[in-house]
Amino acid sequence: DTGVSQDPRHKITKRGQNVTFRCDPISEHNRLYWYRQTLGQGPEFLTYFQNEAQLEKSRLLSDRFSAERPKGSFSTLEIQRTEQGDSAMYLCASSFGSGDYNEQFFGPGTRLTVL
Amino acid sequence: GNSVTQMEGPVTLSEEAFLTINCTYTATGYPSLFWYVQYPGEGLQLLLKATKADDKGSNKGFEATYRKETTSFHLEKGSVQVSDSAVYFCAPFVGGYNKLIFGAGTRLAVHP
Repeated sequence: DTGVSQDPRHKITKRGQNVTFRCDPISEHNRLYWYRQTLGQGPEFLTYFQNEAQLEKSRLLSDRFSAERPKGSFSTLEIQRTEQGDSAMYLCASSFGSGDYNEQFFGPGTRLTVL
Repeated sequence: GNSVTQMEGPVTLSEEAFLTINCTYTATGYPSLFWYVQYPGEGLQLLLKATKADDKGSNKGFEATYRKETTSFHLEKGSVQVSDSAVYFCAPFVGGYNKLIFGAGTRLAVHP
């Protein structure tokens, strides 16, 4: 297994445009997380899926953000009407199991720049 | 609410020096605790973890002990190497909310 992959690695867009990111977790990992990391800060939780169910969303996730995980496999994160404040690294992580001690494996991230 | 306070960086050390990066947290209950590391140009990777009080996590010469009384999880290494230069993140896993709460990160620079 090659680990968590994310696509694209970099995205430059103009304010007001929509963007979509994809995350492919490690196969058979039932948990999938999205985080956002701005320069000089630690990652902040955005949303969590257990299989195909989205079980939690952060208050950081405004109505312009939507995430899906159809069939419990890959996940997409869409940002509509992007704003300059959306510029950040978007990280995806996955883990297996139901306990609160299971390691989360992170992808390389998608760096979004909104002009 | 849940939060993590980490020692501010950057921390600059000479090779073979002793390292301590302090981390304290506020969380409900007794969360599992993690240290993640981000090497230059690479993604986040787990360095070590501890899942209950007094547990000691260790990996690559790094250690951290889960101190319930002081809600701390300080990272230590007896002799750092240039290759340890990276950003280190302390992160409790808030089980009820199924997420990691990250500190701001501490940048470590080790010079020969």
